[in-house]
Amino acid sequence: EPEVTQTPSHQVTQMGQEVILRCVPISNHLYFYWYRQILGQKVEFLVSFYNNEISEKSEIFDDQFSVERPDGSNFTLKIRSTKLEDSAMYFCASKRGQDYEQYFGPGTRLTVT
Amino acid sequence: GIQVEQSPPDLILQEGANSTLRCNFSDSVNNLQWFHQNPWGQLINLFYIPSGTKQNGRLSATTVATERYSLLYISSSQTTDSGVYFCAVKNYGGATNKLIFGTGTLLAVQP
Repeated sequence: EPEVTQTPSHQVTQMGQEVILRCVPISNHLYFYWYRQILGQKVEFLVSFYNNEISEKSEIFDDQFSVERPDGSNFTLKIRSTKLEDSAMYFCASKRGQDYEQYFGPGTRLTVT
Repeated sequence: GIQVEQSPPDLILQEGANSTLRCNFSDSVNNLQWFHQNPWGQLINLFYIPSGTKQNGRLSATTVATERYSLLYISSSQTTDSGVYFCAVKNYGGATNKLIFGTGTLLAVQP
């Protein structure tokens, strides 16, 4: 069964460094998302991406964040200058169409020291 | 924005017991999903259920969209059912496609 994959599973970085989190959505899906979950809290929406552009973003998704779909299969989230409060689990998700369910990847645990 | 509340927040069961988890939402939805977050943090899709009833093995779910709630039933619970259960909804109407997650129910099944 096709699944969303994410790399790395765990990333440790120092404050101020840039990180890129990578995702490979399910191949025939058209909508792509990033969510994050701070330890012990609920999952929060960051950004959605459709037709090669951002379709919606949350207040969390400020200028330090960017997304890209560079080659038709990968979907990346870049954090330009990480802060301690960026430490969280980051989930990538995709779905096939407007009224379909979202499938989530296994997550990347980002730890900023 | 839409509010999603889950109850109970915590639940401890003996293996073999049944349970019902509830998800209330404050506005109309056209997508509702239930997830199980396992101890490794992975979000496992359980049900896509904007309305009606579905069953998958020992789990079943019912959404009554007109009354703005959904229920997840777990029967004959096993220790592997432990973890956090989230419901997530997509608000009806508008251009939004994001899922809004509930507060979660932490389930511990004891042997």
